[in-house]
This record gives sequence, structure tokens and C-alpha cells, in this order.
Amino acid sequence: ETGVTQTPRHLVMGMTNKKSLKCEQHLGHNAMYWYKQSAKKPLELMFVYSLEERVENNSVPSRFSPECPNSSHLFLHLHTLQPEDSALYLCASSQEGRGKNIQYFGAGTRLSVL
Amino acid sequence: GNSVTQMEGPVTLSEEAFLTINCTYTATGYPSLFWYVQYPGEGLQLLLKATKADDKGSNKGFEATYRKETTSFHLEKGSVQVSDSAVYFCALKGGADGLTFGKGTHLIIQP
Repeated sequence: ETGVTQTPRHLVMGMTNKKSLKCEQHLGHNAMYWYKQSAKKPLELMFVYSLEERVENNSVPSRFSPECPNSSHLFLHLHTLQPEDSALYLCASSQEGRGKNIQYFGAGTRLSVL
Repeated sequence: GNSVTQMEGPVTLSEEAFLTINCTYTATGYPSLFWYVQYPGEGLQLLLKATKADDKGSNKGFEATYRKETTSFHLEKGSVQVSDSAVYFCALKGGADGLTFGKGTHLIIQP
């Protein structure tokens, strides 16, 4: 148990559906992240939130919409996805500051887009 | 920009063999370096880290030394076990953004 919980663990959705992924951290951290893990590709950083403000958006398509209502919760809202968006989506959190930059990961949500 | 290159697997070894997984990086400044491990069906877990040149990170019999002169952070273990079978990721962090990962190395240990 890493202190970062992701739900659901598995999700199957059609291209016209709208769904949300949830991440909750119980570590008192001040930064949260979304990563995408696809087969045979490096983990891709999607979004970074530090102190509840988005600080990075690596050219992620607008069909992915993050939300960080407080420092403990992070959502990824999904709509009109494509089959190539099928992947493992990982959430992580960290305490940003001098010498404190270890990221703790959740178990991920395995997303399949039909 | 930052990048991490690691040997691609799968790497298949017998139990008690010596393990080396190579990792080299490109970054500006002085990044922190990490090895993460991912067991089947799970998220990533931090295995070890090093924050400055010549630091050696170690955990569970694994070691890696931050070599600035060769921009490397190779992972080693003297005697692997079947339970070490997993995917290993080398990563760096150079600032306030997220981690930059290598593609991962799938390690298979046979009894």
C-alpha cells in the first residue's frame, strides 16, 4: 500500500462515453501527477498539479481534462476517447521541496476504449 | 530536453545470477535519479534513488551509483531471485516538473 489509491482499477468505455478516473492520496503531499503507460513506450507525463494549480500540460488532447479540487484528490475526466487512448493511467503524488522529490504511485486504472 | 535510455528486454537470467541493467541519461543541471519497479498488475514502487554525483542508492540487495562523468545510473544485484521478476524503470527528475522515464526493462528470473 503506497498511500495513493486509484479507482476504478479497470474501465471499459465506448468512444462516445464520458467517464472519470479518481485518485486520492493519504500522504499529505502537495503535488499530484497523471501519467499514461502504453505498451512499449516510456511512461508519459500528462499533467502536474502543485499546490492545486496545474503547472504542466504536455500537449495532451483536450478529450482528457484534469481536475484537482484539493491537495488530496485528483480526477481525470474522459470524453470522446479513441481506441489508441487505451492504456494504464497512473496517478502519483509527492512532497515538493528541497530534497523531497520522491513520487509515490497508485496501482493504476486499466482503460480500454472500444 | 531530458531523456533516459535503458536496455530493453526481456532480460532472462537464472536464479542467483548477477544482474546489470544499464541506464544512461541526458539532462541539464543536476537531476535526481531513480529506479522504480513494477510488479504484474501493480503500480510503480520506488526501488532506490540518488540525488547527487557519486551517491549510491541501495535497497533489497539492489544498488546503483550516480556517475556524472558517464551520465549513467546502472542497476546491479549480486544474486537475483525469482521474486525479482518485474519491469524496472530508470527515471530522472530535473526541477519542478514530473519524472522522465526510460521505456522499462522486463526482467525474468528462472528457477
